[in-house]
Amino acid sequence: AQKITQTQPGMFVQEKEAVTLDCTYDTSDPSYGLFWYKQPSSGEMIFLIYQGSYDQQNATEGRYSLNFQKARKSANLVISASQLGDSAMYFCALLPLAAGTALIFGKGTTLSVSS
Amino acid sequence: GAVVSQHPSRVICKSGTSVKIECRSLDFQATTMFWYRQFPKQSLMLMATSNEGSKATYEQGVEKDKFLINHASLTLSTLTVTSAHPEDSSFYICSASTGRGAGNTIYFGEGSWLTVV
Repeated sequence: AQKITQTQPGMFVQEKEAVTLDCTYDTSDPSYGLFWYKQPSSGEMIFLIYQGSYDQQNATEGRYSLNFQKARKSANLVISASQLGDSAMYFCALLPLAAGTALIFGKGTTLSVSS
Repeated sequence: GAVVSQHPSRVICKSGTSVKIECRSLDFQATTMFWYRQFPKQSLMLMATSNEGSKATYEQGVEKDKFLINHASLTLSTLTVTSAHPEDSSFYICSASTGRGAGNTIYFGEGSWLTVV
């Protein structure tokens, strides 16, 4: 079975601090991708970062980095120097890389950044 | 700019009526589109996979006669909520895939907030 687990319903962080959002996954597919999305209250899904299962290096995109530990099946998102605008819901998602398959989402983590 | 456009962004309809939501890929041909439903503070639940020119594949528990999905062209998929009830009120969002599954080839629409009164 393919599954994404996000165990933190809510996280609180102060501005300028770093925060780690946890994500573990389960899949038997050898090829897959892992995504993180940000969803503000408007509802749009904002793509943040992607990690392929065969990528040797951890993905980074600006203030976002993905701590990919394949043996542990974890793909934690690290946000450095948090900003007030980072307050939102964050979803980790798994994509089996067969053509035409859908993203499998975790339950999400609500991040609140305070000043 | 948006590469997947979803319309309408908000709609209010009366119980018993039908409402159609459109999902268009603007810059590419989407052989596959996906429809999700999301309740407040919950995750996205896949409703169906829409393949151009063929019948949609519905997830278990999703009523295909209630949620009609049509993917008539490579750039347009529609979700019609038929005989809507208040419990159908939700956020509906589509995504489109170019089929290659790499990191930047899955795009989401802006989502549609449906309220049934």
